Amino acid sequence: AQKVTQAQTEISVVEKEDVTLDCVYETRDTTYYLFWYKQPPSGELVFLIRRNSFDEQNEISGRYSWNFQKSTSSFNFTITASQVVDSAVYFCALSGYNQGGKLIFGQGTELSVKP
Amino acid sequence: DGGITQSPKYLFRKEGQNVTLSCEQNLNHDAMYWYRQDPGQGLRLIYYSQIVNDFQKGDIAEGYSVSREKKESFPLTVTSAQKNPTAFYLCASSIGTFQPQHFGDGTRLSIL
Repeated sequence: AQKVTQAQTEISVVEKEDVTLDCVYETRDTTYYLFWYKQPPSGELVFLIRRNSFDEQNEISGRYSWNFQKSTSSFNFTITASQVVDSAVYFCALSGYNQGGKLIFGQGTELSVKP
Repeated sequence: DGGITQSPKYLFRKEGQNVTLSCEQNLNHDAMYWYRQDPGQGLRLIYYSQIVNDFQKGDIAEGYSVSREKKESFPLTVTSAQKNPTAFYLCASSIGTFQPQHFGDGTRLSIL
């Protein structure tokens, strides 16, 4: 079975603080893909990043960075110097190679960045 | 601009009524998906289609039906068999399996 756990339901920070969103996954597939999506108040999901299970390099994109650790089955997302526009719900998702392309989402973490 | 268009934005269903949610994409993507989102929860897969004239059930297909007669269109019907249809419905597409999915703006369905 596949499962994604985002234990943090809500996080509130003050602007310019760094914040890390946790994601822990379970899968029996040796090949799999991990994703992060952002859902602003308008409702549509915006793709942020995709990693495959064979690439454990951390990635940085501007103020965003991702830490993928297979040893702990985690794919954490850090926002540096948070801004009010970062306020949204963030979803981690998993697609196992033997699951026919189905994407399993975590429950989401609602991030609130206050001025 | 390329993208996914969902309509209507808001929809109300009466008891015993079937309603159809529209999803159209002009991204030339092969795969299309329907998700349901309930308050405070993640997205759950209803149906998906990886090619025209073919589709598969997701995790919560009961009470829903779909068709994929054209590459760009993937309408979802919420039937009267779906007893708790109030939710936010999101349509997505991707160029292929395991590729990032692009989402529409969603349709919010409520019961009258």
